[in-house]
Amino acid sequence: DGGITQSPKYLFRKEGQNVTLSCEQNLNHDAMYWYRQDPGQGLRLIYYSQIVNDFQKGDIAEGYSVSREKKESFPLTVTSAQKNPTAFYLCASSLSGANVLTFGAGSRLTVL
Amino acid sequence: AQSVAQPEDQVNVAEGNPLTVKCTYSVSGNPYLFWYVQYPNRGLQFLLKYITGDNLVKGSYGFEAEFNKSQTSFHLKKPSALVSDSALYFCAVRPDYTGKLIFGQGTTLQVKP
Repeated sequence: DGGITQSPKYLFRKEGQNVTLSCEQNLNHDAMYWYRQDPGQGLRLIYYSQIVNDFQKGDIAEGYSVSREKKESFPLTVTSAQKNPTAFYLCASSLSGANVLTFGAGSRLTVL
Repeated sequence: AQSVAQPEDQVNVAEGNPLTVKCTYSVSGNPYLFWYVQYPNRGLQFLLKYITGDNLVKGSYGFEAEFNKSQTSFHLKKPSALVSDSALYFCAVRPDYTGKLIFGQGTTLQVKP
């Protein structure tokens, strides 16, 4: 079945540690996105990529990094510079240009 | 600044009654408009979209939305609510010539038996 797989589903991290969230899609979509979801704030765009080896900052990129070495994969690293990393992270993809997005099931990161 | 507003944090409706979830936007040009639904601890699922044409758009699960350019609104509607419609609903807009979606803060829909 085609879709987006995010892993891990739950992740705990100590302060000062970097952590990488995985996002893989087999939909042959060109564009991929990372959003952060906090209660009452909706979804905020962290990074997006419209093509392999290229990506752009979203609205809240500070403290995060991404890579897009393969069309299928768009991992997100939450660095120790991110001041408040505890959140629900959602990866999404689309054929192109943010038309209809297909979302993964999400990864919940908790910093202890 | 480009933005999307969902003025109600929560909407309560009785099963069988019509429902409306409101959305207004502030972007330039001719945006694409979307509604998504999220069930607890899950990703978002696409419901419907407006790009051009008829102002009334029909989507999944009996939902529809009405685009009103003069009021810059895109309200989600359903003639008869089900308990299973209870979820978090997000309005989103893609401004012209951009590759990203801007989401509203979400509205929790509670349908009571």
